[in-house]
Amino acid sequence: GQSLEQPSEVTAVEGAIVQINCTYQTSGFYGLSWYQQHDGGAPTFLSYNALDGLEETGRFSSFLSRSDSYGYLLLQELQMKDSASYFCAVPSLSGAGSYQLTFGKGTKLSVIP
Amino acid sequence: SQTIHQWPATLVQPVGSPLSLECTVEGTSNPNLYWYRQAAGRGLQLLFYSVGIGQISSEVPQNLSASRPQDRQFILSSKKLLLSDSGFYLCAWSDPPQGKSYEQYFGPGTRLTVT
Repeated sequence: GQSLEQPSEVTAVEGAIVQINCTYQTSGFYGLSWYQQHDGGAPTFLSYNALDGLEETGRFSSFLSRSDSYGYLLLQELQMKDSASYFCAVPSLSGAGSYQLTFGKGTKLSVIP
Repeated sequence: SQTIHQWPATLVQPVGSPLSLECTVEGTSNPNLYWYRQAAGRGLQLLFYSVGIGQISSEVPQNLSASRPQDRQFILSSKKLLLSDSGFYLCAWSDPPQGKSYEQYFGPGTRLTVT
């Protein structure tokens, strides 16, 4: 089975940098995804790391260390609109050939002025 | 571009009543389709997924069923709702296996309250 651990809540100041960590235990590993969900909204895809290292997309970066079963999402120059829940997720391959995602329980980020 | 629709947006149903939630995807062919449920303040639980018409896989035993009568249509149903069926129901799609099927794109969701 798959299990993911991430902090339940993080608070950070507008303009600062925040790191949201995710550790995972999986039977078979393909990569680590990150999703953002604002209150009342649907999750939106942010990033996917299949290989070790840092992937940068604008103010957001995602890091993966396969040897440590660990990844993080880094948000820079925080804005109030970044207040949301962030989920890490790992895909697993089903017998039908499609990927299923197992999500962590999410980290609620509150950005304060 | 691809879009995904879900309806209704909100629903209040009495215990024991039936349920039908619909999801349709536009702008793609042969997508993988998924139904998730999210309890308040919690993560997403995968309920069903489908790789093609009439092909449904269930992740957890429950009071719900799913059907895929057309390539881009996915329906979640129940014959008799339980209080524990309350939650936020999300439909998602991804590319078929030869594409980036690890990236999933979610519809706006249906907030179901069973009373």
